[in-house]
Amino acid sequence: DTGVSQNPRHKITKRGQNVTFRCDPISEHNRLYWYRQTLGQGPEFLTYFQNEAQLEKSRLLSDRFSAERPKGSFSTLEIQRTEQGDSAMYLCASSPTSGMWMNEQFFGPGTRLTVL
Amino acid sequence: GQNIDQPTEMTATEGAIVQINCTYQTSGFNGLFWYQQHAGEAPTFLSYNVLDGLEEKGRFSSFLSRSKGYSYLLLKELQMKDSASYLCAVRDSSSNTGKLIFGQGTTLQVKP
Repeated sequence: DTGVSQNPRHKITKRGQNVTFRCDPISEHNRLYWYRQTLGQGPEFLTYFQNEAQLEKSRLLSDRFSAERPKGSFSTLEIQRTEQGDSAMYLCASSPTSGMWMNEQFFGPGTRLTVL
Repeated sequence: GQNIDQPTEMTATEGAIVQINCTYQTSGFNGLFWYQQHAGEAPTFLSYNVLDGLEEKGRFSSFLSRSKGYSYLLLKELQMKDSASYLCAVRDSSSNTGKLIFGQGTTLQVKP
């Protein structure tokens, strides 16, 4: 494993349905981030985990959004009762807390969500 | 508030040099990053500046002036494959999370 992986890569759903995305970070990376990116914009921070603890959530993360990282390894992001405004690319990134790469966030390929 | 500004689009010629500017106003600062993002792909790390000055890495260089809230990314000997979006991001020091605050990105088109 040489990078962050995300599944699925694409998700099309109808408004009102629930969706769940998965992120597998680089192994031994303690820090895990979720970002959301809409077309023509830079990524926006959603939430942060250090190991299994969720330490920060953006105000962008409404109560329809929930994220977990139960064992400090993979993470899931769930959106309940999806709305068309949720259509975006959801990016996951991971980072170590020490060592030569501690200043870099490694991004996964993203999950592109389309809500019809 | 948090504000990061960079031009929306730039065009340059293959083999030339291009400079992409970024200005920022953030409540905390703990480093400035440049990422490259090809359409439909993940951002990939290009450079990191935390002290004032120029960091050079091959064809790419990045400059930072903390007093001016200003950075630029310099791309030399442009190649067609450099056509991409370039994202300027500041690491927020107001929390200990290391989260990044991104600008909207600069779409660079390299023409033959």
